[in-house]
Amino acid sequence: GAGVSQSPSNKVTEKGKDVELRCDPISGHTALYWYRQRLGQGLEFLIYFQGNSAPDKSGLPSDRFSAERTGESVSTLTIQRTQQEDSAVYLCASSSGTGGMGGELFFGEGSRLTVL
Amino acid sequence: GEDVEQSLFLSVREGDSSVINCTYTDSSSTYLYWYKQEPGAGLQLLTYIFSNMDMKQDQRLTVLLNKKDKHLSLRIADTQTGDSAIYFCAESYSFASGGSYIPTFGRGTSLIVHP
Repeated sequence: GAGVSQSPSNKVTEKGKDVELRCDPISGHTALYWYRQRLGQGLEFLIYFQGNSAPDKSGLPSDRFSAERTGESVSTLTIQRTQQEDSAVYLCASSSGTGGMGGELFFGEGSRLTVL
Repeated sequence: GEDVEQSLFLSVREGDSSVINCTYTDSSSTYLYWYKQEPGAGLQLLTYIFSNMDMKQDQRLTVLLNKKDKHLSLRIADTQTGDSAIYFCAESYSFASGGSYIPTFGRGTSLIVHP
């Protein structure tokens, strides 16, 4: 498709399990972002990729969180040993570059994670 | 660090103007944005303003920037029921290490338009 695609759209898991969230950015977009949106909260920046590199990982909340990007395309956000406070909507966005206005961010519809 | 604040709810009557306000703290912000999120959809860029501007108009939308007070507003003229959505204010600045921009978002203002 032409937009940012995220999967799964909904994930319910038990505390302590690992989860993987996938993001397919718009083809050709070099920059990719992960944000987290907890209920009633703003978007919390997690990590940013330029190509396959992540120059800024400062937003990852703990070492249980990791992300990778391959082929300057698909990105996976992995949460190990999930906790209830990880419940949120995880949003992925991509943009065409980092210069100029920074590039409009195109968002996916998000992956809603519920940890029981 | 940077922080973006906005009120959580705004209710208006159809046909009236809506004004959504936002304050930010990072004086080095280069771009300021308004994104719209409709139910079940991702955020979409509505409009943006460069920090050396004080006003931008785009059809029914007017963005006002008061850089001294770090205050940004979005005015929607002749508000329609289809404008009901969550509106996010965001700012971004350039990272020294790569020139990358990472927008920081507010919590979003839920705009409710009633007949």
